[in-house]
Amino acid sequence: DQQVKQNSPSLSVQEGRISILNCDYTNSMFDYFLWYKKYPAEGPTFLISISSIKDKNEDGRFTVFLNKSAKHLSLHIVPSQPGDSAVYFCAATDSGAGSYQLTFGKGTKLSVIP
Amino acid sequence: DGGITQSPKYLFRKEGQNVTLSCEQNLNHDAMYWYRQDPGQGLRLIYYSQIVNDFQKGDIAEGYSVSREKKESFPLTVTSAQKNPTAFYLCASSIGKGTDTQYFGPGTRLTVL
Repeated sequence: DQQVKQNSPSLSVQEGRISILNCDYTNSMFDYFLWYKKYPAEGPTFLISISSIKDKNEDGRFTVFLNKSAKHLSLHIVPSQPGDSAVYFCAATDSGAGSYQLTFGKGTKLSVIP
Repeated sequence: DGGITQSPKYLFRKEGQNVTLSCEQNLNHDAMYWYRQDPGQGLRLIYYSQIVNDFQKGDIAEGYSVSREKKESFPLTVTSAQKNPTAFYLCASSIGKGTDTQYFGPGTRLTVL
């Protein structure tokens, strides 16, 4: 049973426009969420995170929104750039579990068209 | 430079052979992890270690073994018992606390012929 779901395998966006990547989770114990960016044949790079005590976190062009009641989070990239083209993974953890395990979604491939 | 190194980048082995993937970090992180990525899939946790000389099974530990004799090193052995060993293997490390960020190495692509 997938506890973290990224229902859109791919997304195409014009350069300069907003990219919105979505992620849903089912485990109500998850309280810390992260987004990673990954290029082919490379390790994921950490982008941004959010704790469940917040509903928004911003870092430059990247903003993550968390809706706890809907068990939904989204990553907004504004403005999108061709270098943003990559696979984006959403990950979640239960910080109180003591194991620090991350549960990952299957990823969304973002293509930013020049 | 602080970071996580994995070697080699590409590895080929014959079916039935054990193979060990290297992971080293100089970030002074307590926790280390091994993940596997298959095409179209997310990352799945194989093993993790929160402290030297201790490690725990993740979601897909069967056919794998690890050791954590030093804080900096967390090698993964893919044994002949692993039914589908061909995959991209990723090592990560973190400070080791609740709201923690894991940082990843560049990965090793293992192909079993």
